[in-house]
Amino acid sequence: GQQLNQSPQSMFIQEGEDVSMNCTSSSIFNTWLWYKQDPGEGPVLLIALYKAGELTSNGRLTAQFGITRKDSFLNISASIPSDVGIYFCAGQGRNYGQNFVFGPGTRLSVLP
Amino acid sequence: DGGITQSPKYLFRKEGQNVTLSCEQNLNHDAMYWYRQDPGQGLRLIYYSQIVNDFQKGDIAEGYSVSREKKESFPLTVTSAQKNPTAFYLCASSFGLAGVATQYFGPGTRLLVL
Repeated sequence: GQQLNQSPQSMFIQEGEDVSMNCTSSSIFNTWLWYKQDPGEGPVLLIALYKAGELTSNGRLTAQFGITRKDSFLNISASIPSDVGIYFCAGQGRNYGQNFVFGPGTRLSVLP
Repeated sequence: DGGITQSPKYLFRKEGQNVTLSCEQNLNHDAMYWYRQDPGQGLRLIYYSQIVNDFQKGDIAEGYSVSREKKESFPLTVTSAQKNPTAFYLCASSFGLAGVATQYFGPGTRLLVL
């Protein structure tokens, strides 16, 4: 099955910096979800997006549903050490019924 | 507390042995899923179930089996036919129709082969 593309694959940033990552697909999606996963734990849902162009915030996190419906973006402002982890995007579209497809993740490291 | 529970957290399998991973949810969600996660990779769908007594194969169903006798429960059996079972297994459930759905995950079970 198809998987989404996420970039960057990994990133190292200084505490306090802003972070941007994105997720792209060759297919159109109706829903985008963003998750954070800590080592050895299940992914935790951060933000859900349901409409093209939608911009949604959750604290220091902001995510956008791309206008083309083939991409989504996640921004983290003023990063802190607990932001460390792997961030996954997931998309749901007509091609996959009600199932979601997942990106390989962006691994974020925050340096003090 | 509402949520998804998985047990055990760690599971060891001997060669030729079948093992069963438990997944329970009290969120009243209709749909449940099993994913496999390998290092550095995204999640791959093993099986899913949209309603009780019905389930469908995902992308990597070979060597696995499931049942859905109750809405709350969706156990996964890793059979001896699965030659590379070492992985992190995640159960999820979701509600909502396509286009407005949201999916939640359990804490995972790590399966290791002895």
